[in-house]
Amino acid sequence: KAGVTQTPRYLIKTRGQQVTLSCSPISGHRSVSWYQQTPGQGLQFLFEYFSETQRNKGNFPGRFSGRQFSNSRSEMNVSTLELGDSALYLCASSPGLVGDTQYFGPGTRLTVL
Amino acid sequence: QKEVEQNSGPLSVPEGAIASLNCTYSDRVSQSFFWYRQYSGKSPELIMSIYSNGDKEDGRFTAQLNKASQYVSLLIRDSQPSDSATYLCAVNTNAGKSTFGDGTTLTVKP
Repeated sequence: KAGVTQTPRYLIKTRGQQVTLSCSPISGHRSVSWYQQTPGQGLQFLFEYFSETQRNKGNFPGRFSGRQFSNSRSEMNVSTLELGDSALYLCASSPGLVGDTQYFGPGTRLTVL
Repeated sequence: QKEVEQNSGPLSVPEGAIASLNCTYSDRVSQSFFWYRQYSGKSPELIMSIYSNGDKEDGRFTAQLNKASQYVSLLIRDSQPSDSATYLCAVNTNAGKSTFGDGTTLTVKP
């Protein structure tokens, strides 16, 4: 099976802009989770989608949003970018049952100037 | 107190030694526990999952879980330089939310 794919792999944006990141899960996986990873904060949970519904949400401001499509692909959007949003954004997919192993994509490296 | 805490690193061991990585968690209803390995510049990859109290062995890796003490550990026997990476402990609640520790960086010296 093909692994989790994320596009784009690298992005450079300026403050105030918005960005959309995409994640395609492993075929058959229905759950997609998003994480932000920074050197200072580690791996922080953003949200999880299961069957097009947000099932869990982390402690991030409303500028961070996401959605999942019927084919389980997911997008994450960040509006009004701030310098502190510079990070590696990781997507992870799992079959969908609570306790399932998550499989991570390669990540999108976002730099906000 | 952080929800998931890992022993502060970095941890350095000689080749062939046992590396011991520790993790404690605060949410008593946590049900699933995972160890991921992350090489520099790469994404995390699963090493072990454990759901019941006791030990679980997979090759050179052994995960240990003690729910009463809210403690999970990873032992790496016969450590190799290729084991040098950051190890992340992850804990899932019944609701499915995953919380990761900050990671412990392991260096295995030849």
